[in-house]
Amino acid sequence: EAQVTQNPRYLITVTGKKLTVTCSQNMNHEYMSWYRQDPGLGLRQIYYSMNVEVTDKGDVPEGYKVSRKEKRNFPLILESPSPNQTSLYFCASRRPLAGDNGELFFGEGSRLTVL
Amino acid sequence: AQSVTQLDSHVSVSEGTPVLLRCNYSSSYSPSLFWYVQHPNKGLQLLLKYTSAATLVKGINGFEAEFKKSETSFHLTKPSAHMSDAAEYFCVVSFSGGYQKVTFGTGTKLQVIP
Repeated sequence: EAQVTQNPRYLITVTGKKLTVTCSQNMNHEYMSWYRQDPGLGLRQIYYSMNVEVTDKGDVPEGYKVSRKEKRNFPLILESPSPNQTSLYFCASRRPLAGDNGELFFGEGSRLTVL
Repeated sequence: AQSVTQLDSHVSVSEGTPVLLRCNYSSSYSPSLFWYVQHPNKGLQLLLKYTSAATLVKGINGFEAEFKKSETSFHLTKPSAHMSDAAEYFCVVSFSGGYQKVTFGTGTKLQVIP
């Protein structure tokens, strides 16, 4: 089954404790991205990756890091989480067809609370 | 720069009546436009997309949307609401030829009253 898998789905942590949210897709998509969803703000892009070893900042990258060492995985790293990073996070991937804006496939989301 | 505006944060309809969720966009290039639906505690699912083919786009679950370039709009409609349509809906824009920039609207919560 084609899917994007995020872990953990729920996490409560404390300020300053490094954490990683994993994302894996099994569709051989080149493009992957991370979003955060906050009430009244919709989804905002944090980082995206066009391919292995190619990443770039989205609209709200501060406080986050990413890496893309393998095509299927795109982890989101919070080196020193703060309460303003409490949010619902989504990973997504997309078909690699050149010139075509194909649909994004989303994971189920990871709800993060930073105390 | 591109942007997308969803004109209503909440819409309430009675079951069996029409649904209209409004979306306006701005884009410096030819846009691709999407509607996604998010049911509670779920990820986002594609409803339909416009990518410069037919201006009237049909999607899943009886939804459709019409691309109107002159009005820079991409409103989502459904003739008859069902209880299962209660969810949050997002209008999304990206521009043709490059897929690194995807902009989401702030969402419209649809309530369906029995």
